[in-house]
Amino acid sequence: GAVVSQHPSWVICKSGTSVKIECRSLDFQATTMFWYRQFPKQSLMLMATSNEGSKATYEQGVEKDKFLINHASLTLSTLTVTSAHPEDSSFYICSARDPRSPTDYEQYFGPGTRLTVT
Amino acid sequence: DAKTTQPPSMDCAEGRAANLPCNHSTISGNEYVYWYRQIHSQGPQYIIHGLKNNETNEMASLIITEDRKSSTLILPHATLRDTAVYYCIVRPSNSGYALNFGKGTSLLVTP
Repeated sequence: GAVVSQHPSWVICKSGTSVKIECRSLDFQATTMFWYRQFPKQSLMLMATSNEGSKATYEQGVEKDKFLINHASLTLSTLTVTSAHPEDSSFYICSARDPRSPTDYEQYFGPGTRLTVT
Repeated sequence: DAKTTQPPSMDCAEGRAANLPCNHSTISGNEYVYWYRQIHSQGPQYIIHGLKNNETNEMASLIITEDRKSSTLILPHATLRDTAVYYCIVRPSNSGYALNFGKGTSLLVTP
């Protein structure tokens, strides 16, 4: 199946700094990518929908000025956590839909990025 | 998307069949049942999906009741590597939207 990668797989940053997470579709072009966040022992929560060439759509309660999403190409979406705080420590996961597939099950997830803010 | 209800946790002995139930009594006619799983600290993995007929692939079988109000994911011969959280998701196919993950069932496969 199609592959989605994330970089870095884990990152530790100091409070107040910004960190960028990359999500790449390796063998298909993804017009839409999704960003999720998962706190320990909880389920995945959708943060935002990233559309190539346009502004991201954020879920209620997610600060768009804090979590900057850029989907500048059909194979790359980035999530930048600005002015990170310890409460932003979480597991961030992206997914991408293969537009060649006629059904939605062809939605592939990245391996996730573990962010720890100290 | 229709709401789903799953038991929070289940145990299964290695080599035995793992049967994971999901209740989706408010499912609509155009909604499919999808199953994903998430192994600890990894991204979710697609397992199987179906509309009303039973489905089988190399990973699992999906049994959907005739009234479509519930379904069961069957791992025929569970291995230790099947220990994961299993999510049952109900939604229209090809909607283009993100997946709405509930709390899932944490399956522990024991030696």
